[in-house]
Amino acid sequence: EAQVTQNPRYLITVTGKKLTVTCSQNMNHEYMSWYRQDPGLGLRQIYYSMNVEVTDKGDVPEGYKVSRKEKRNFPLILESPSPNQTSLYFCASSSFGSANNEQFFGPGTRLTVL
Amino acid sequence: SQQGEEDPQALSIQEGENATMNCSYKTSINNLQWYRQNSGRGLVHLILIRSNEREKHSGRLRVTLDTSKKSSSLLITASRAADTASYFCATVVSGGYQKVTFGTGTKLQVIP
Repeated sequence: EAQVTQNPRYLITVTGKKLTVTCSQNMNHEYMSWYRQDPGLGLRQIYYSMNVEVTDKGDVPEGYKVSRKEKRNFPLILESPSPNQTSLYFCASSSFGSANNEQFFGPGTRLTVL
Repeated sequence: SQQGEEDPQALSIQEGENATMNCSYKTSINNLQWYRQNSGRGLVHLILIRSNEREKHSGRLRVTLDTSKKSSSLLITASRAADTASYFCATVVSGGYQKVTFGTGTKLQVIP
């Protein structure tokens, strides 16, 4: 089944404790992206990757890191989480060859930073 | 800053009625997409319209794009209770990169 998976789905952590949210897709998509969703603000792009070893900042990259060492994986790293990073996070992927250019979304990771 | 702003923020209609949602954006785009989200779940792609297109249909969905006004609308005809969800527009700007910017969303409630 074609899908984007994220882990963990739920995470409660404390300020300053490094964490990684994994994202994996099995559709051989070139493009992957991370978003955060906050009430009243919609989804905001954190980082995106056009292909392996190619990443770029989105609209809200501060406090986050990413890497794209393999095509299928795009982990999101919070080196020193803070309470303002409490949010719902989505990973998405898409193929540049797709006529609809649609993004496929993962199920989301709900992060709480205390 | 947010590229897409949507209105209304919330919309409540009776089953069978049509629902119209609008999206405005600020800069030139390559394409605009509409997505649907059910209650905190991942978004699902509905339809894409390219910057050189003015109107597109898919089933009960009709999307228009006015690049001179930098606005788009999504019309859902003959709504069903199952259409209850949040709807987001997303603008795509590309050219060696691909930045995607989502609007703030319209929460649609269809009353049976």
